[in-house]
Amino acid sequence: DTAVSQTPKYLVTQMGNDKSIKCEQNLGHDTMYWYKQDSKKFLKIMFSYNNKELIINETVPNRFSPKSPDKAHLNLHINSLELGDSAVYFCASSSRFEKRGGGVDFGPGTRLTVL
Amino acid sequence: DAKTTQPNSMESNEEEPVHLPCNHSTISGTDYIHWYRQLPSQGPEYVIHGLTSNVNNRMASLAIAEDRKSSTLILHRATLRDAAVYYCILRKGGGADGLTFGKGTHLIIQP
Repeated sequence: DTAVSQTPKYLVTQMGNDKSIKCEQNLGHDTMYWYKQDSKKFLKIMFSYNNKELIINETVPNRFSPKSPDKAHLNLHINSLELGDSAVYFCASSSRFEKRGGGVDFGPGTRLTVL
Repeated sequence: DAKTTQPNSMESNEEEPVHLPCNHSTISGTDYIHWYRQLPSQGPEYVIHGLTSNVNNRMASLAIAEDRKSSTLILHRATLRDAAVYYCILRKGGGADGLTFGKGTHLIIQP
């Protein structure tokens, strides 16, 4: 009964490569997000996306791009990976119409290591 | 974004109640008070949220001050599994805004 799932769990790659992280939610939520947690454990939102609007945190480099094939998926593409991109990336989702008032559900995270 | 202030860390004993404070003096009328926690090596997890009235669920209770400028997350009987970083976050109701995380409170539970 997985709610928000991400693949892969671990990703090790070389600088300069292009990689993708996949995210799926089966909660029927209308909004999905990507967060980055750096080595200092600080969680920062990167993107917020529903089927009408993409909100980008202005500090995110344009090498990062979210792609949503449908409401249940929001994949993260990263071009020309840099050492500083090493972090844990969390996918999340929520519904504006949820009875509990908009709690956010998070995936288990993808640990990206750039060598 | 309205900001919250939490102690960096707190320590408690197993099977005792824990009161985690949060100050949010610039809260606006449409802000909900949310609490999340992050256990080691896991993603953040929703704990509880409220607007004006105190709230209870199976995980915790949320006590909200009458002026809404502060709140307290109450774990009634802490276990070792409650050791985590707890985040107090303000979020506008009904929106698609993402959560803005601060540094949170690192809760240490002693056996």
